[in-house]
Amino acid sequence: GENVEQHPSTLSVQEGDSAVIKCTYSDSASNYFPWYKQELGKRPQLIIDIRSNVGEKKDQRIAVTLNKTAKHFSLHITETQPEDSAVYFCAARPPYNFNKFYFGSGTKLNVKP
Amino acid sequence: DVKVTQSSRYLVKRTGEKVFLECVQDMDHENMFWYRQDPGLGLRLIYFSYDVKMKEKGDIPEGYSVSREKKERFSLILESASTNQTSMYLCASNPRGVDYGYTFGSGTRLTVV
Repeated sequence: GENVEQHPSTLSVQEGDSAVIKCTYSDSASNYFPWYKQELGKRPQLIIDIRSNVGEKKDQRIAVTLNKTAKHFSLHITETQPEDSAVYFCAARPPYNFNKFYFGSGTKLNVKP
Repeated sequence: DVKVTQSSRYLVKRTGEKVFLECVQDMDHENMFWYRQDPGLGLRLIYFSYDVKMKEKGDIPEGYSVSREKKERFSLILESASTNQTSMYLCASNPRGVDYGYTFGSGTRLTVV
C-alpha cells in the first residue's frame, strides 16, 4: 500500500518568514494530494489540494508543488502569521482504494510573533 | 454548518466496558472512516466503510468493530475497552469516485481508566 513520509515534525519560524513542509509518497499511482490544517483542539480542515496532472497550485499565501518523478510534494506558506500556527498533515490517495487517504505523521508549525 | 457530527466530545470509560462512538454525516457521502490520532503517530485508520453494511479493516482494527446500518451513520465499537485505547478518535467522510478530501468530525477524546 501507499506510504507517506512527512518532514519536519516540528517547524518554528518568525512571523513574516516562509515555511515549507515536505512529503514523499511511495505509490506512483497516487493522483490526488490534499493538505490539512489542524488547530489546537479542532478538527483537521482541508486547506489546499493538488491533482497529479498539475505541478503547482496557489491560494493566497499558501501553495503546493508536486514532483511526480521524484514522488514528493510540498506545502509552502509565505508571510507567515501567528494564526498559521497549527499541525499540518499531508495525504496521498491512490485511485484504486475507495477514495481512502494515506496521511503523513504531521508537522507542528509554530509562528513566533 | 457542521456536516460531520460525533456524538461525544469527551468520554471516560472503565477498562472492560463496551464503548460506542457515533458519527453522523449529512452530505450523502458513500465513504466513512474512523481514525485515531495519537501524538507522534499521526492519523491511523481503524476501519472504513464504502457503502451501507460494508466495512473494510484499516491499519489498526484489533480491538475495534464497526457498524453501518444507514448511509449517514457509522459507529465505532470498542468491544472491551483497554487503557491503550485512550486516544482522540476522528470520524471522516467523503464521496466516492471524485477528487475530494475528507470532511472530519470534531473528534471524541476517549479516556479509558
